[in-house]
Amino acid sequence: GAGVSQSPSNKVTEKGKDVELRCDPISGHTALYWYRQSLGQGLEFLIYFQGNSAPDKSGLPSDRFSAERTGGSVSTLTIQRTQQEDSAVYLCASSLEGGMGTEAFFGQGTRLTVV
Amino acid sequence: SQQGEEDPQALSIQEGENATMNCSYKTSINNLQWYRQNSGRGLVHLILIRSNEREKHSGRLRVTLDTSKKSSSLLITASRAADTASYFCATESGSRLTFGEGTQLTVNP
Repeated sequence: GAGVSQSPSNKVTEKGKDVELRCDPISGHTALYWYRQSLGQGLEFLIYFQGNSAPDKSGLPSDRFSAERTGGSVSTLTIQRTQQEDSAVYLCASSLEGGMGTEAFFGQGTRLTVV
Repeated sequence: SQQGEEDPQALSIQEGENATMNCSYKTSINNLQWYRQNSGRGLVHLILIRSNEREKHSGRLRVTLDTSKKSSSLLITASRAADTASYFCATESGSRLTFGEGTQLTVNP
């Protein structure tokens, strides 16, 4: 595709429900990042995928959060038993190759609201 | 915790003035990048400076990097109202790309 695509763009869910956020990176990009941004704050690193290597999950805030990247392309971020503090914009980015000084291209994010 | 810290947190200037934003970081880096964000959504890459470079220019943007002080600055010259946005520095150390808290720039017409 032309850019990084995220879906849905907005999601309202009830506390305790599970949600899945999707990211379609730019074709051919081997690196994929997930970040979380609360209102007026910086980007909080969540997880990083690079090719077939084991993902860097060190930013995931709790075991309710998990992410997969299938076939080195599409990624899904799953939040189980959502809490109100999970409300934020979840941003996905991809780059040609992580760690090599290539720019990251961002999607428009998914705004998650937990009520 | 964030790798990069920008200052100031917020900056308000008049159109035509220059805007300078600073970024400090903690660990050794491969490169440092600056991004812009409008309206709290996707970020757009502005410029990248490698660890062996000291200064880089792109249009009205000038970036400096001082690895001995672990700091970088972004200068926007002849600012325009359309430059109003949040600006973030991001450091690449190993494979992770880590962002600072950002500077909110407001350019008043």
